[in-house]
Amino acid sequence: GDSVTQMEGPVTLSEEAFLTINCTYTATGYPSLFWYVQYPGEGLQLLLKATKADDKGSNKGFEATYRKETTSFHLEKGSVQVSDSAVYFCALSSLESGGSNYKLTFGKGTLLTVNP
Amino acid sequence: DSGVTQTPKHLITATGQRVTLRCSPRSGDLSVYWYQQSLDQGLQFLIQYYNGEERAKGNILERFSAQQFPDLHSELNLSSLELGDSALYFCASSVRAGGLYNEQFFGPGTRLTVL
Repeated sequence: GDSVTQMEGPVTLSEEAFLTINCTYTATGYPSLFWYVQYPGEGLQLLLKATKADDKGSNKGFEATYRKETTSFHLEKGSVQVSDSAVYFCALSSLESGGSNYKLTFGKGTLLTVNP
Repeated sequence: DSGVTQTPKHLITATGQRVTLRCSPRSGDLSVYWYQQSLDQGLQFLIQYYNGEERAKGNILERFSAQQFPDLHSELNLSSLELGDSALYFCASSVRAGGLYNEQFFGPGTRLTVL
């Protein structure tokens, strides 16, 4: 079945450091890829998405490129802020095998803490 | 604020009990999804309703059930609770039933603690 693997956390960085959170996936067909962010005490929010190979999703200084050849969708930000401290989830949307429904499959999440 | 509301925010109960979690989707959204988030299992999809009908089922236990009412709010019923059911339960909503680009908007969650 489909799966998403994210780098294990927690990740601790100083403000203005460069961030990379690795994400690789296994899926049949051509999934859409997403990064969600969960701030403390809140639900998940869509951060960015990419719907086909070589697409780059970007939002709030974060970027991720859909790499079909390496089945990856790594999240990057050039200069993190304390307010970026949150849990980040990589996810894919794909068609269920033999069905007509699309399902969202999440990675386990990576906790990012940014210190001033 | 995503526009999805969930009640209650916290719930503490005992093993063997039954609880009901409630979700109101964003205005105009017809689909409601339920997820369970726990430390060991991560975020697991439980079930989806679209316009009152069950649309998709994930890793939902037989002790759990859900429904979506005519006003589109949804309830998740958890019965014969076990310690392992302690988790954060999220509701999400979307406009459409599915599709690759169908963005889901998440509520703040209900934290269930089973003692």
